[in-house]
Amino acid sequence: QKEVEQDPGPLSVPEGAIVSLNCTYSNSAFQYFMWYRQYSRKGPELLMYTYSSGNKEDGRFTAQVDKSSKYISLFIRDSQPSDSATYLCAMNPNRGGDKLTFGTGTRLAVRP
Amino acid sequence: DAGVIQSPRHEVTEMGQEVTLRCKPISGHDYLFWYRQTMMRGLELLIYFNNNVPIDDSGMPEDRFSAKMPNASFSTLKIQPSEPRDSAVYFCASSVSGQGLVGYTFGSGTRLTVV
Repeated sequence: QKEVEQDPGPLSVPEGAIVSLNCTYSNSAFQYFMWYRQYSRKGPELLMYTYSSGNKEDGRFTAQVDKSSKYISLFIRDSQPSDSATYLCAMNPNRGGDKLTFGTGTRLAVRP
Repeated sequence: DAGVIQSPRHEVTEMGQEVTLRCKPISGHDYLFWYRQTMMRGLELLIYFNNNVPIDDSGMPEDRFSAKMPNASFSTLKIQPSEPRDSAVYFCASSVSGQGLVGYTFGSGTRLTVV
């Protein structure tokens, strides 16, 4: 079993829809949770990060962590075609420069 | 800052040939990571350096892979001999102590095809 599981999709939604992307994990030591966005033929870029449980909002994006269930989510409101990308979750037990554990990514397509 | 710079962007080589991938991290960053990405396995960490010293190479698939960081502004990942199963996108990322995980910056990757 992988430490981090993520549905690969693809997920196709109409413009304006609310999108929910999810990851589950098995390592209870994970404390820092991140979402990266990767456009085609580009490297991943950090979208949001949260520490421990709770919610964090940034514009149309909301990151949610439920440590009791070992489940994290990224919600995108009013989705736009420019949101079409692969979204990867990542996590780590420490804030330091140590290696991240990534999910395999979910491909999202937002149809105009 | 130009970000993390990787070269070449694309590499097509024949099985058995040596391949060298190059990375220039962001100036001032003291961590450097090499990742490999495939559809089946996602992003896999191969090796990472701190202050030019390899810290963890447990992700390097086998002895055919080697990585060096001779100075703070340059790193190489070498595959010798290359095999078709090495075909993937290889990413380099850098980060700086203090910013930790949120300071990860990836390059645009090298798409390697071994035929």
